[in-house]
Parts: sequence; C-alpha cells; structure tokens
Amino acid sequence: RKEVEQDPGPFNVPEGATVAFNCTYSNSASQSFFWYRQDCRKEPKLLMSVYSSGNEDGRFTAQLNRASQYISLLIRDSKLSDSATYLCVVTYTGKLIFGQGTTLQVKP
Amino acid sequence: GAGVSQSPSNKVTEKGKDVELRCDPISGHTALYWYRQSLGQGLEFLIYFQGNSAPDKSGLPSDRFSAERTGGSVSTLTIQRTQQEDSAVYLCASSLDGSGAQAFFGQGTRLTVV
Repeated sequence: RKEVEQDPGPFNVPEGATVAFNCTYSNSASQSFFWYRQDCRKEPKLLMSVYSSGNEDGRFTAQLNRASQYISLLIRDSKLSDSATYLCVVTYTGKLIFGQGTTLQVKP
Repeated sequence: GAGVSQSPSNKVTEKGKDVELRCDPISGHTALYWYRQSLGQGLEFLIYFQGNSAPDKSGLPSDRFSAERTGGSVSTLTIQRTQQEDSAVYLCASSLDGSGAQAFFGQGTRLTVV
C-alpha cells in the first residue's frame, strides 16, 4: 500500500465549477499535511498547509480528518489557471512523502 | 540567489558513466530532500538530510546511488554506472527544519541516459 494515495484523475471541469480532491495516508503518526501544486514541467510549489480545524485561502479550502487519515482540497469557481497537478503531502519524522498527484484540467 | 539552485539543469550521459548532481539549498535550511520524477509520474523519495546526516536513505533505488551533504549546505547525488532507467528529473528541496516547515524546490536536473 502506498503511504499517500490520490486519485490521479484527470478531472476535467468547466470554468466556474467546484471540484474536490481527496487523499488518504497510511501512517497514523504523520505529523504535518500540505497540498502542493505542480505545473507541467515545473517544480512543485506549496499551495497551502492543512489543519484539522480546516483552513481556507481564497477559493481554496483544505480539510484534515486525522481519525480517518483523510485530507481534502476544495476549489471553488475554477479558473483556467488552476489547471495543474495537485500533490498531497504528509510529513513523518522529517520526511516529506508525496502522493502521485491529481491532475486538474479546467476548460473554457 | 534566494532559492534552491540545482546544477546542471540538463545532463545527457552515456550508459555506464557516472554522474554527479548538485543542490544548493536556501541558506539556513537544515533539511534537504532529493526526489526523482519520471515523465508523467509522481515524486519518488530518494533521501533526506538533516544537517549533514541522512536519517532516511530508504528511497535510494540501488547501491549505484549515493548522496552526501557537507557543511550543512551543498548536497551532491551521485549515480554510478548509469542505466537507461535512471533517466528522470531529479528534484532537490530544502526546508527550514524537518518539523514540517514548507519545502522549496529547485528547478531540477533532467538526466537522460543514452
């Protein structure tokens, strides 16, 4: 079983749509949680940290459920510029563990 | 520069040759990570440094791969006797410490073994 699992997609949505990505992790001792974004042929960049209380950054909302070992990302009012691969990341004893990523394509 | 710097940006090598990839982390960042990404695939963890020591080498694919970090700064990833399956983008990242602080990535080294 992979340490961090994501549905690879692709998710094809029209502009303005709301889309949700999910991620599960296997190690209950995982310590910190993030969503990164990776554009085609570019390096990953931090999108947002994820907290149990849930956190929002503009159109993006992230949620962590420690009991279910589940992380989510909700994107509202999708823009063409949101097209990218979204990577779920957990840390354990300092090691950053990446999921395979979920590809989002936003169409006009 | 202020970001993570990797060199070379591109490397083409013949099968069987050794290659060295370099990573200059952000100044003051104690944690440094190496990943490998094949075309269309996710990030494969290779090794992690905290300071100069490597608490986790579990991702190194074979004994042809080694890495070191000196002075708590620059790291080199060495691949000996390269094989075609080693072709990938090798990404380096650094973070302030290993506690879960944001990691910043370099632009990667694209390695092609012919």
